[in-house]
Amino acid sequence: DAKTTQPPSMDCAEGRAANLPCNHSTISGNEYVYWYRQIHSQGPQYIIHGLKNNETNEMASLIITEDRKSSTLILPHATLRDTAVYYCIVRVEGSNYQLIWGAGTKLIIKP
Amino acid sequence: NAGVMQNPRHLVRRRGQEARLRCSPMKGHSHVYWYRQLPEEGLKFMVYLQKENIIDESGMPKERFSAEFPKEGPSILRIQQVVRGDSAAYFCASSLGPAKNIQYFGAGTRLSVL
Repeated sequence: DAKTTQPPSMDCAEGRAANLPCNHSTISGNEYVYWYRQIHSQGPQYIIHGLKNNETNEMASLIITEDRKSSTLILPHATLRDTAVYYCIVRVEGSNYQLIWGAGTKLIIKP
Repeated sequence: NAGVMQNPRHLVRRRGQEARLRCSPMKGHSHVYWYRQLPEEGLKFMVYLQKENIIDESGMPKERFSAEFPKEGPSILRIQQVVRGDSAAYFCASSLGPAKNIQYFGAGTRLSVL
């Protein structure tokens, strides 16, 4: 079973920041938070991952709360091409290779 | 910039036939994972292979399904005597290793069983 909880859907206006929340209240100390997205009819695409510090790359930023029970993925300037289902996954680095997927958040970017 | 390559992209089989799905991992990756996705659901882990070895097949049905990753050539997911319930999207991912465990996914094979 997925160890994360995400809202089923969200809207965001094009050009604005999209903030996608994820709850992982049972996360263990050595479990990382991973984000993937899946654009319709395509394979999942890796976005970012982190343990406890905030992370940023060319695609997004990941903000993890101090107690690590929740996190937020931020797409700073959403475009129509960011419309996708976004999955938040927790896993143990280097051991639990299985990615356990929930239902994700369907993000719709509106013009 | 060769990513994970899966073929065919679409596969149609009649009940009772065999389906063979192929996956070529990213260059330099020796770890392959297969997942299955039903409509409107997240992916479900099936099997994890390293070159010539099955590491974990706990998510794969015990009957009719098999997977291999030979020393040379792509990984193959084989489904014998397909049934309508096997209709799904099958995704392959690869990684440098379990310690370097960002999994990169292919575009998937969509299997339709008539």
